[in-house]
Amino acid sequence: DGGITQSPKYLFRKEGQNVTLSCEQNLNHDAMYWYRQDPGQGLRLIYYSQIVNDFQKGDIAEGYSVSREKKESFPLTVTSAQKNPTAFYLCASSRPGSPLHFGNGTRLTVT
Amino acid sequence: AQTVTQSQPEMSVQEAETVTLSCTYDTSESDYYLFWYKQPPSRQMILVIRQEAYKQQNATENRFSVNFQKAAKSFSLKISDSQLGDAAMYFCAYRSAFLGGGADGLTFGKGTHLIIQP
Repeated sequence: DGGITQSPKYLFRKEGQNVTLSCEQNLNHDAMYWYRQDPGQGLRLIYYSQIVNDFQKGDIAEGYSVSREKKESFPLTVTSAQKNPTAFYLCASSRPGSPLHFGNGTRLTVT
Repeated sequence: AQTVTQSQPEMSVQEAETVTLSCTYDTSESDYYLFWYKQPPSRQMILVIRQEAYKQQNATENRFSVNFQKAAKSFSLKISDSQLGDAAMYFCAYRSAFLGGGADGLTFGKGTHLIIQP
């Protein structure tokens, strides 16, 4: 079955450490996205990519970085510069004009 | 930039009753898509229904239907015969339909928490 796989489901890190969240899709979608979800905030866009080797900042990109070396993969790195990294992170992909397909998310806790 | 507003942080309905969730949006574009997503406690985002702005007919998916009022920029979701499995966060979302637009995915409202009373 086609879909989006995010791993791991839960991730714990110490403050000051960088951490990378994995996102893989086999839907053959060109576009991929990273959203952050906090209670009462809805989903906010971190980064998006329309094509391999190209990506753009979303509304809350500070403290995050991404890469898009393969069509199937769009990993997100949460750097030590992100002041409040504890959150639920959702990866998605889509075709133009179509709904987004989402992964199951990664819950990151930084202490 | 587009904005999406869901004015009801929480709604409660009796099982088997009908409930309507509100959503308004602001845009200067004439062509776009609107979506309702459901997020149950598992936190999986599930597409409930979609509406193309150029279509006057309101979308329907089984017990779920929308009331799309383009001039008023309103997009409400009606759930008929509510079931316990409908309990979830519901998000309204907007996507541009213009070439090059919509490249940044969806703009989401902050969500409505729907409680189903047995």
